Amino acid sequence: KQEVTQIPAALSVPEGENLVLNCSFTDSAIYNLQWFRQDPGKGLTSLLLIQSSQREQTSGRLNASLDKSSGRSTLYIAASQPGDSATYLCAVRRVGNDMRFGAGTRLTVKP
Amino acid sequence: GAVVSQHPSWVICKSGTSVKIECRSLDFQATTMFWYRQFPKQSLMLMATSNEGSKATYEQGVEKDKFLINHASLTLSTLTVTSAHPEDSSFYICSARYRGSSGNTIYFGEGSWLTVV
Repeated sequence: KQEVTQIPAALSVPEGENLVLNCSFTDSAIYNLQWFRQDPGKGLTSLLLIQSSQREQTSGRLNASLDKSSGRSTLYIAASQPGDSATYLCAVRRVGNDMRFGAGTRLTVKP
Repeated sequence: GAVVSQHPSWVICKSGTSVKIECRSLDFQATTMFWYRQFPKQSLMLMATSNEGSKATYEQGVEKDKFLINHASLTLSTLTVTSAHPEDSSFYICSARYRGSSGNTIYFGEGSWLTVV
């Protein structure tokens, strides 16, 4: 059974800092890995999707990496802003197509 | 891009009543849809996989008689919470699989907040 773990559970940083969120998964037989953002009381916003054959994806200040063999992914956020405050979810899509989510990292960026 | 719509976004119902949540793929046919549940401050947990024209596959610990899933068409799956209780209050979100020429992609709905009073 696929287990997805996110570390840290919560993170508070001053504005402008670069930060890294970590995600690990137990079964390397994945189809892809996706990072989402969830604001309080809201649904999911897809940030980056990495196919199993890819090593990383970039979008603006965000960079996600994938090391399938070691079961790890990182989300790098450069020059953090207060608007980045949210919960970040890592989700692994299995070959069978459903997704398994981590518990999330709750990020607070202080002005 | 493909759009998945959920309705209602918010619903309040009395304990003991049933409530239906719809998940529609607006511009594509989805043979497979997924239903997730998220309790406060917890992550999303897969409840069931809904396949068009056949019975849903439920995850361990999810009561199929309480959470009725119907996927009668290629664009609509419904989740009915029967005899709802306050502990069923949660965020329910669906996703649909889109099969395109370049592969298949999962799209999420906006989610539905259920409060049982």
